[in-house]
Amino acid sequence: NAGVTQTPKFQVLKTGQSMTLQCAQDMNHEYMSWYRQDPGMGLRLIHYSVGAGITDQGEVPNGYNVSRSTTEDFPLRLLSAAPSQTSVYFCASSYSSRNSPLHFGNGTRLTVT
Amino acid sequence: SQQGEEDPQALSIQEGENATMNCSYKTSINNLQWYRQNSGRGLVHLILIRSNEREKHSGRLRVTLDTSKKSSSLLITASRAADTASYFCATAGGSNYKLTFGKGTLLTVNP
Repeated sequence: NAGVTQTPKFQVLKTGQSMTLQCAQDMNHEYMSWYRQDPGMGLRLIHYSVGAGITDQGEVPNGYNVSRSTTEDFPLRLLSAAPSQTSVYFCASSYSSRNSPLHFGNGTRLTVT
Repeated sequence: SQQGEEDPQALSIQEGENATMNCSYKTSINNLQWYRQNSGRGLVHLILIRSNEREKHSGRLRVTLDTSKKSSSLLITASRAADTASYFCATAGGSNYKLTFGKGTLLTVNP
């Protein structure tokens, strides 16, 4: 049972480049979400999904797109990378969006130069 | 914006001592959760306490919730060096139950 798998683990981008951070879970979880973690800021919610075909914005959605075509996968797309998007990104899933603990991946460390 | 705020920001204790971390929040919640993060890793869920519960235990962990004071505490008893980590509280409120995290408490347990 792999849980939540994020790829890549590390990525360096130049300003203006685009890329997709991958997230997959094998627990048949309904709810999936993306957070970014910055020093002194804690974790901030970017986007989330309560099921296949349903996504919504979190606290800091600008510059990011998501889609949920299957229950298992929830990719995060950076459209035009900016230095302000340098961060550690975590994908998390849970059985439902209500009263369920989140299961986190090990993160993707992204640097934008 | 962050909902939960942990206190203290950092805590250093000796192995065998108890560690207490506090979390305060501003608006009404459906549940409050505590997570642990070891350096360079993802967060690991510790305990979920619902708004109608006052106390929960899990092994050496004890969580209390006081909704009248909008606060929670996490007690780790008989701490070990392996408990060294950052601890976060997260609150879920509103109809969509989005989890909002605090900035965390860095706990260092010295052998």
